[in-house]
Amino acid sequence: QVQLQESGPGLVKPSETLSLTCTVSGGSISDNYWSWIRQPPGKGLEWIGYILNSGNTYYNPSLKSRVTISADTSKSQFSLKLISVTTADTAVYFCARVRGVWIISPYFDYWGQGTLVTVSS
Amino acid sequence: QSVLTQPPSASGTPGQRVTISCSGSSSNIGRDTVNWYQQLPGTAPKLLIYSNDQRPSEVPDRFSGSKSGTSASLAISGLQSEDEADYYCAAWDDRLNSVVFGGGTKLTAL
Repeated sequence: QVQLQESGPGLVKPSETLSLTCTVSGGSISDNYWSWIRQPPGKGLEWIGYILNSGNTYYNPSLKSRVTISADTSKSQFSLKLISVTTADTAVYFCARVRGVWIISPYFDYWGQGTLVTVSS
Repeated sequence: QSVLTQPPSASGTPGQRVTISCSGSSSNIGRDTVNWYQQLPGTAPKLLIYSNDQRPSEVPDRFSGSKSGTSASLAISGLQSEDEADYYCAAWDDRLNSVVFGGGTKLTAL
C-alpha cells in the first residue's frame, strides 16, 4: 500500500517561496510518476504538475513560470517549490501518485492527506 | 470558470440512482479518457473511476462511469448516506497541455 505524507511550513509571506516535501512509503519513487495538486479553501482542484521517473517534469501552463518539482530518490521524497507567492496561492496542497501518463488521461490513485498553506503577512 | 463543466449540486434519496454529468470539449473529453474522484468532507480526494469506466478494486460496483462524445457521466446506484461528498471529473486537455478538473458537484442524500 503506497502512502504519501506532505510536510512543510503552513504559513508563507507574500512574494516569498512556498516549499513542500512529499515522503513516499510502500512504493518505489523511482518506478513511478508523482504529482502535486492544490485546492483553495472552499474551491475545486487544480493540477500543479508532475515529475516522471526520468526526472522530466510537466507543469500547468498557468503556474509554469513559478513552479519547480524535483525528486530525491535516496530519501523517497519529491518536492514542490512555488516562487513569488500571493494570497491566491493559499490552498491545501496534495501530493499524489500518477498513472496513465502518455497512454490515457493521467489519473491520481494514491493521495497524501494534504497540507494547508496560508500566504499572509 | 472550470474547463470541464459539472452541476454544482445533485441530490437523491437513499436507494435511488443518481447521475452527475461532466461536459467538456474536443480538446479534452472528446480526445481522451475521463477520471472521477470522490472527496468526503475534510479528506483528500479518492480515485473513483479511471479511463472512463474502470473501477479500482476497492470501489463498490454501485459506482459506474460512461463517456459519449465530449461528455461523461458518473452514476451512483443505491444511493447511501455515506456517498455524500464532492465529486470531480478530470481529463487531459491537449490544447492546454494540462490536467483539467471540473468544478465539482456536491452530492446530498436527502
